[in-house]
Amino acid sequence: KAGVTQTPRYLIKTRGQQVTLSCSPISGHRSVSWYQQTPGQGLQFLFEYFSETQRNKGNFPGRFSGRQFSNSRSEMNVSTLELGDSALYLCASSPRQGMNTEAFFGQGTRLTVV
Amino acid sequence: AQSVTQLGSHVSVSEGALVLLRCNYSSSVPPYLFWYVQYPNQGLQLLLKYTSAATLVKGINGFEAEFKKSETSFHLTKPSAHMSDAAEYFCAVTQRGGYGGSQGNLIFGKGTKLSVKP
Repeated sequence: KAGVTQTPRYLIKTRGQQVTLSCSPISGHRSVSWYQQTPGQGLQFLFEYFSETQRNKGNFPGRFSGRQFSNSRSEMNVSTLELGDSALYLCASSPRQGMNTEAFFGQGTRLTVV
Repeated sequence: AQSVTQLGSHVSVSEGALVLLRCNYSSSVPPYLFWYVQYPNQGLQLLLKYTSAATLVKGINGFEAEFKKSETSFHLTKPSAHMSDAAEYFCAVTQRGGYGGSQGNLIFGKGTKLSVKP
């Protein structure tokens, strides 16, 4: 069974630009969560999607958004990039909403904002 | 509100020595607890999880952790460190849902970097 796939693995963007990251969950998993990892703040929850609906949201500004498609694939978008958005963005999938006992993480997308 | 505290941002042990990584949690409801490992430039890999069955949980790569409610702790141990154990380790908590699963997002500690000296 293929794991969680995140694309791209690395990304360099300029301040003010926007970026879209993609996550393909494990086959059969319907819930996708996104986390931001930085040296200063550690791992912080961004949002969770289940059945194409955002079910849970962390404490991030509205520049951070996401969506989920009918095949459970998810994208997250960051608009008007700031230097502080440089981070490793991790996606996790699980079979059901909030089922963190069965959450599997992808390898992440390393975003660098210059 | 739930939270996790990992004592020691860096731990260094010699190869073959005991590994002990500390995690204390705060939760107003019975928690689910997890340990994840992260190798450089990689995602998180689940080492083990506590979901209210046995309080001593065995995980992959020889790691285990014991849930101690009285101490609100979930420390990770391994009897003998190996060079390949060098990585960053994260303790995480989530709360139980009404349907027997978990509820809400994972809340992570700040992580502990483990170094293993030859």
